Amino acid sequence: KQEVTQIPAALSVPEGENLVLNCSFTDSAIYNLQWFRQDPGKGLTSLLLIQSSQREQTSGRLNASLDKSSGRSTLYIAASQPGDSATYLCAVIMYSGGGADGLTFGKGTHLIIQP
Amino acid sequence: EAGVTQSPTHLIKTRGQQATLRCSPISGHTSVYWYQQALGLGLQFLLWYDEGEERNRGNFPPRFSGRQFPNYSSELNVNALELEDSALYLCASSLGTRVSTFGSGTRLTVV
Repeated sequence: KQEVTQIPAALSVPEGENLVLNCSFTDSAIYNLQWFRQDPGKGLTSLLLIQSSQREQTSGRLNASLDKSSGRSTLYIAASQPGDSATYLCAVIMYSGGGADGLTFGKGTHLIIQP
Repeated sequence: EAGVTQSPTHLIKTRGQQATLRCSPISGHTSVYWYQQALGLGLQFLLWYDEGEERNRGNFPPRFSGRQFPNYSSELNVNALELEDSALYLCASSLGTRVSTFGSGTRLTVV
């Protein structure tokens, strides 16, 4: 059974810092990995999707890397801003032969950027 | 392009009642996924519908059920509500194994 772990569970940093969020998964046979952002009480916003054949994806100040063999992904946020404060979720999708299973999520990293 | 829409936004029910939650996927998406986000438990996969069929379900009791209509919209039904069913229920849609796009959720409160 796939398990996804995110470290740290919570992080508070001053504005302007670069930071790294970590995600690890136990079964490396993933189809893709997705990073989401969730604001309190709201739905999820997809940030980056990395296909299993890819090593990284970039969008603006965000860069996500994937090392499938070691079961790890990192989300790098450059020049953090107070508006980046949210919970960041990592999720993997497996391919079960008949199609895609649901996403398996980590419990998230609660990020606070101090002005 | 309209995103994934869920209704209602909030729902308050009494223990033992039934709740029905609705989801409209992005136009062209054939897969709908339901997830439960209960306090302290993280997001848990509930159900996956594709082309009108239930394809997979997570580790939830049978009183969690649903269906997908010919227009690919979906309903999630929760029977015999229990207090611990109180959660944010999120719907997502995708085409095949492409990016899943999430709705804003339905907050279900069981009292």
